[in-house]
Amino acid sequence: AQSVTQLDSQVPVFEEAPVELRCNYSSSVSVYLFWYVQYPNQGLQLLLKYLSGSTLVKGINGFEAEFNKSQTSFHLRKPSVHISDTAEYFCAVGPITGNQFYFGTGTSLTVIP
Amino acid sequence: KAGVTQTPRYLIKTRGQQVTLSCSPISGHRSVSWYQQTPGQGLQFLFEYFSETQRNKGNFPGRFSGRQFSNSRSEMNVSTLELGDSALYLCASSSRVTPGQGQTTGELFFGEGSRLTVL
Repeated sequence: AQSVTQLDSQVPVFEEAPVELRCNYSSSVSVYLFWYVQYPNQGLQLLLKYLSGSTLVKGINGFEAEFNKSQTSFHLRKPSVHISDTAEYFCAVGPITGNQFYFGTGTSLTVIP
Repeated sequence: KAGVTQTPRYLIKTRGQQVTLSCSPISGHRSVSWYQQTPGQGLQFLFEYFSETQRNKGNFPGRFSGRQFSNSRSEMNVSTLELGDSALYLCASSSRVTPGQGQTTGELFFGEGSRLTVL
């Protein structure tokens, strides 16, 4: 079985400051890792994914994440946030085959002007 | 390419009623998954369908059911609604193939959800 822990439920940050959203996972099998963003009253949109290869993954809107196998972490970072980044962020793991994804409980990012 | 379409977007029901939600996946995607999203609980996996067959099922009571049609469209049904069923129900489609037939890199593509309120 797999599980995902997002260590911070709410993260306030000032505009143009850097941010890190933390994610740890547990799995007995190899998995793919994902970060999704959800804006109010919308579905989830993929930010980035780690499948294999380089442990530093770049996604849309200037976000990046680093896969750390020894620490089973997949933290999301952005060097300078904008007001428009205010949203809910979800970390997820998905199996190599099959489609039963496991999601964290989400981190609410609030960018303060 | 059209995205995942869910209908209805909003609905209000009373306890004891039943509800049917619909999902049209991205063209060519044969896998459809359903998730329940509630504040504090995050996304909870309901079930996944592939080629009209349920492949995986989450830990939900039998009141929650689903099906998939030959055109990959899917419906989920909740019978005997309870107050705790109030949630955003998200459908996601994927191009992932059948387990055991090779690796895929398919992420989930989500619809905007159906927000169910049970009074």
